Order: sequence, then structure tokens, then C-alpha cells
Amino acid sequence: NAGVTQTPKFQVLKTGQSMTLQCAQDMNHEYMSWYRQDPGMGLRLIHYSVGAGITDQGEVPNGYNVSRSTTEDFPLRLLSAAPSQTSVYFCASSAGPGEYEQYFGPGTRLTVT
Amino acid sequence: GENVEQHPSTLSVQEGDSAVIKCTYSDSASNYFPWYKQELGKGPQLIIDIRSNVGEKKDQRIAVTLNKTAKHFSLHITETQPEDSAVYFCAASRRDGQNFVFGPGTRLSVLP
Repeated sequence: NAGVTQTPKFQVLKTGQSMTLQCAQDMNHEYMSWYRQDPGMGLRLIHYSVGAGITDQGEVPNGYNVSRSTTEDFPLRLLSAAPSQTSVYFCASSAGPGEYEQYFGPGTRLTVT
Repeated sequence: GENVEQHPSTLSVQEGDSAVIKCTYSDSASNYFPWYKQELGKGPQLIIDIRSNVGEKKDQRIAVTLNKTAKHFSLHITETQPEDSAVYFCAASRRDGQNFVFGPGTRLSVLP
């Protein structure tokens, strides 16, 4: 199993550009989440999904969109990048009801200039 | 909403000593409390977790205690080793393994 994979590892965007951060898992997990990590602030939940077709907002959803068309994939879209979105982004998955252990991907470091 | 505080922000211990990191949470409905270790350049990795119906859990040198009345939980690492040096995060789940709120992290340094 590859576990949770994220692409790209690094990305530089100009203000106003759009892009999609990819996340995939091969463990047949129901739950998937996106977090951003900023210095001194821990991880903050952006969006999460409890199954294909079901998504919900976390603590900091503004400026980000998600969809979950398959169990395996959970892409995060930045519609119009802003410097405040400069961060490290982590995707995580967990099996689902009763099995809460989250497995994290290696992260994507995004810089918006 | 839920708020998770974590102390201390940095902790230095001598190899072989114990380390304790404490977290408090605000939402009494939270029912799952994991601890993660993050090494430089990597994603967080679960090291131990506890559910609200348990007061203490141990796994070799690592233990977690939960006080639901006071709304705090703690990570205890005994016989620390240099490879324990990392950033540790606590978290609370408000809804059965969904919607996690993380503490700001503790940087642990184990000095040889």
C-alpha cells in the first residue's frame, strides 16, 4: 500500500492563480480531510469528507473548494490564490466509523507570491 | 466551537528522563483524543490515542491520561531517547473521528 499520497510536493503560485492539490489513498478509507499547517498554529482543518459525495467545512474553509467523487481521491482547489494561503497542506484519511486513526500524507508546501 | 490549548510550547529533557505534555479542551462533547509526532519535513504520525470512556492508556514508554471532568489530557513519555525529539501535537475530535481540532504543538528536545 502506498498509503496517502499528495502531489505536488512543492508549488509556487502568483496571486490570483488557481490550482488543485491532489490527494489519494489506497486503503479504502471512508474519511478524508485537508489541513493547513502554519508556524506556531498547529494544524487547522479546512474541509473533510465522510464518504463519496459528502463533504463538510472545517475551521478555515474560505478560499478552498473540495469534492469527493470517488472513495480514493479528495482534491483541494484554490480558486484564486492569496498570499495568506501560503502554508503546508496535509491530507489525511481514516477508516471510518469506530476506527478513528488518521494517516497523513507527506504534505504540499505552497507559496503564493 | 472547540478550542485546544497545549503546554509547554518547548520542552528540553535529558536522555532517560520523563517528559509530560498537557492539553486542555473546551467542548465537553469531544470524545476522541489522539497524540501525533511530527518529524521535520514529514506528516504527523499517530503515537497514541484515547477515547472518552477510558481514563488511561499505555503503550510501552508512552502513556496518555484523560480527565473528562477537568477537560484535560496529557502525554507521558518515560526513559526518553534522542529519537523522541520531534514536535508533538494533541487533538480533539468533536464528532466520532471527524472534525479534529489540534493544539499548537510542543517541540521536544532530548539531550544526550
